Amino acid sequence: AQKVTQAQTEISVVEKEDVTLDCVYETRDTTYYLFWYKQPPSGELVFLIRRNSFDEQNEISGRYSWNFQKSTSSFNFTITASQVVDSAVYFCALSEAASGSRLTFGEGTQLTVNP
Amino acid sequence: GAVVSQHPSWVICKSGTSVKIECRSLDFQATTMFWYRQFPKQSLMLMATSNEGSKATYEQGVEKDKFLINHASLTLSTLTVTSAHPEDSSFYICRGRAAESYEQYFGPGTRLTVT
Repeated sequence: AQKVTQAQTEISVVEKEDVTLDCVYETRDTTYYLFWYKQPPSGELVFLIRRNSFDEQNEISGRYSWNFQKSTSSFNFTITASQVVDSAVYFCALSEAASGSRLTFGEGTQLTVNP
Repeated sequence: GAVVSQHPSWVICKSGTSVKIECRSLDFQATTMFWYRQFPKQSLMLMATSNEGSKATYEQGVEKDKFLINHASLTLSTLTVTSAHPEDSSFYICRGRAAESYEQYFGPGTRLTVT
């Protein structure tokens, strides 16, 4: 069975600080996909990234970066120089190739960036 | 990216009544639709998966007679909450999977409040 754990329920930082959101996953499948979504107060999910299990390269997109490490089953997300607009709930999710695109979500991390 | 719409975006209904939520893929054909439910400050939980023209597959613990899902066309899926109760108050989100690319897109969600 697939499982995603986001141990940090809430994180509060001051603007311009860097912040890392942790994500640890469990799967028996060798082919799977990992995702990060942002959910602002409006509720609409915003897609941030998808990574397949065969691509362990870290990725950077502007102030966002992701660190995928299969050895520790982790897919951490770092926001550099955080801004107030980054305040939201962030979800990590996993989809096994054999599961027909079912997404299993972590519990989410509420990030609050204070001015 | 592709667009998925949901209607209504929010609805308030009285206990005992039924509510229908529509999920439309506006610029792609969705062979599969996933329906999620999200209670306040919780993660998204998959309720059911529906393939166009087939009966939906419900997750364990989800009452199929209470949450009726219809996926009669490649662009429309509906979720009907029958005999709604206050405990059904939640945020309902659909996700469509494109036939051509297997890309997947979330709708903006529908907030249901049952009084």
